[in-house]
Amino acid sequence: AAGVIQSPRHLIKEKRETATLKCYPIPRHDTVYWYQQGPGQDPQFLISFYEKMQSDKGSIPDRFSAQQFSDYHSELNMSSLELGDSALYFCASSLVVGSGANVLTFGAGSRLTVL
Amino acid sequence: GENVEQHPSTLSVQEGDSAVIKCTYSDSASNYFPWYKQELGKRPQLIIDIRSNVGEKKDQRIAVTLNKTAKHFSLHITETQPEDSAVYFCAASWHSGYALNFGKGTSLLVTP
Repeated sequence: AAGVIQSPRHLIKEKRETATLKCYPIPRHDTVYWYQQGPGQDPQFLISFYEKMQSDKGSIPDRFSAQQFSDYHSELNMSSLELGDSALYFCASSLVVGSGANVLTFGAGSRLTVL
Repeated sequence: GENVEQHPSTLSVQEGDSAVIKCTYSDSASNYFPWYKQELGKRPQLIIDIRSNVGEKKDQRIAVTLNKTAKHFSLHITETQPEDSAVYFCAASWHSGYALNFGKGTSLLVTP
């Protein structure tokens, strides 16, 4: 079965540079979520999109932005990178089913290292 | 927003023993409570979940219980095996399509 695809898997950037992460959700899933996970930390919710519109916002820094495109893939853009942005970035997708269970399936993650 | 607290942060058990991890949540509107297992450097993987209209759910060696009145839920793993060693996260969500709020995680070590 198709899973959530993230690219790149690894990314190394210098401080103050820009990075873009991509996410391809499971086919027919209509909601995409971005999470940031620092070493030894729990996943922190950044932002989500439902049917290409921002649906929920968490602790996403102003330096970060994201969008979902017509083919449902999503991109997370990070500018003015700081050392503290080094983390695993997970994308997850789900299919909204009324008020039912919110089953998120995670991608393999993109590891960003800022030097 | 929703605040999920998880205990203990680390848990060490001997193979064959049971392990219990507990979580509490703050938002009484939350109605979906999944548990994820994460191995080092890998993605969180859903192992079991429960909705607010159910008090208990079991899947082989794994069970989850929910007490809505007290706003807490627990993960029970019986007959633990070394391959159960991982970090376990509880989470809560109040509506389909909204983000999961995770607990801080429990690092479970099962020793042979």
